[in-house]
Amino acid sequence: RKEVEQDPGPFNVPEGATVAFNCTYSNSASQSFFWYRQDCRKEPKLLMSVYSSGNEDGRFTAQLNRASQYISLLIRDSKLSDSATYLCVVNTYNAGNMLTFGGGTRLMVKP
Amino acid sequence: NAGVTQTPKFQVLKTGQSMTLQCAQDMNHEYMSWYRQDPGMGLRLIHYSVGAGITDQGEVPNGYNVSRSTTEDFPLRLLSAAPSQTSVYFCASSDRGAYEQYFGPGTRLTVT
Repeated sequence: RKEVEQDPGPFNVPEGATVAFNCTYSNSASQSFFWYRQDCRKEPKLLMSVYSSGNEDGRFTAQLNRASQYISLLIRDSKLSDSATYLCVVNTYNAGNMLTFGGGTRLMVKP
Repeated sequence: NAGVTQTPKFQVLKTGQSMTLQCAQDMNHEYMSWYRQDPGMGLRLIHYSVGAGITDQGEVPNGYNVSRSTTEDFPLRLLSAAPSQTSVYFCASSDRGAYEQYFGPGTRLTVT
């Protein structure tokens, strides 16, 4: 079983739609959670951290469910510029507290 | 402030050749790491360093060596290239391990 699992998609949505991605992680000791965004043929960049109480950044909302070990990302009012791959990321205590990345979920927003 | 830089951007190697991928950061970050990204596999950690003179293995270290003689530089050496090492390689740095990582633009390596 992969440590961090995501539906690879693609999710094809029209502009203005609301779309949600889920991610599950296997290590119950993980403490830090993030969503990264990766544009085609570019490097990943931090989109937002995910906190236990849930957090929002503009059109983006992240939630963490520790009991079920899943993380979600909700994007409201999708824009064409949101088209990218979204990577779910958790920390890995058994490797210098480095990060473990999911395979990513591809989002395509159409006009 | 250049952030994280990587050279070369593209490289083609023949099986058995060796080479070094360069990575440098100017943010005075203690943590640096190397990942490879393959289709459908996500980013996998190859080696990482928590400070100058300290390195350790990640998930997929075989066939690669690293060293960290300065805070700024973290080169990745391919000892004897194999087609299975065809991938996109990303170097990253962070202030602390499990916090925001800043990635370089990547090196696209093809081994024939």
